[in-house]
Amino acid sequence: EAQVTQNPRYLITVTGKKLTVTCSQNMNHEYMSWYRQDPGLGLRQIYYSMNVEVTDKGDVPEGYKVSRKEKRNFPLILESPSPNQTSLYFCASSNGQARTQYFGPGTRLLVL
Amino acid sequence: AQSVTQPDIHITVSEGASLELRCNYSYGATPYLFWYVQSPGQGLQLLLKYFSGDTLVQGIKGFEAEFKRSQSSFNLRKPSVHWSDAAEYFCAVGTNNAGNMLTFGGGTRLMVKP
Repeated sequence: EAQVTQNPRYLITVTGKKLTVTCSQNMNHEYMSWYRQDPGLGLRQIYYSMNVEVTDKGDVPEGYKVSRKEKRNFPLILESPSPNQTSLYFCASSNGQARTQYFGPGTRLLVL
Repeated sequence: AQSVTQPDIHITVSEGASLELRCNYSYGATPYLFWYVQSPGQGLQLLLKYFSGDTLVQGIKGFEAEFKRSQSSFNLRKPSVHWSDAAEYFCAVGTNNAGNMLTFGGGTRLMVKP
């Protein structure tokens, strides 16, 4: 089944404790992206990657890092999480040509 | 930069009634337009998309949307709502930029009365 998976689905952590949210897709898509969803703001893009080893900032990149060492994986790294990063995070992938993005199930993060 | 506005934060309709969710966008060129639905605790599912051609687009679950360039709108419609349609709906605009970024509206939460 074609899908985007994220782990973990739920995470509670404390300020300053580094964490990684994994994202993997099995559709051989070149393009991958991370969004955060906050009430009333819809989804905002954090980072995106056009291909392996090619990443760039989206609208709200501060406090986040990403890497793209393999085509299928695009982890999101919070090196020193803060409470304002409490949010619902979505990973998405696309083959680019279709401009249609397929979303993972989301990761709900609470930073205390 | 592009932007998307969904004027209605909450909408309540009776089961069986018709539905229209509004979406207005701002973008200098011809946009790619999408509607996604998010059920409680779920990810986003694509309902339909518009790239070019016929301005009336059919999607899944009986939804349709009409692109009106003169009004910069892409409203979502369904002739008869089912209780299972209760969810949050997001309109999004995509562009030709290298980032392939989707810009989302703030969402409209739909409640369905029995």
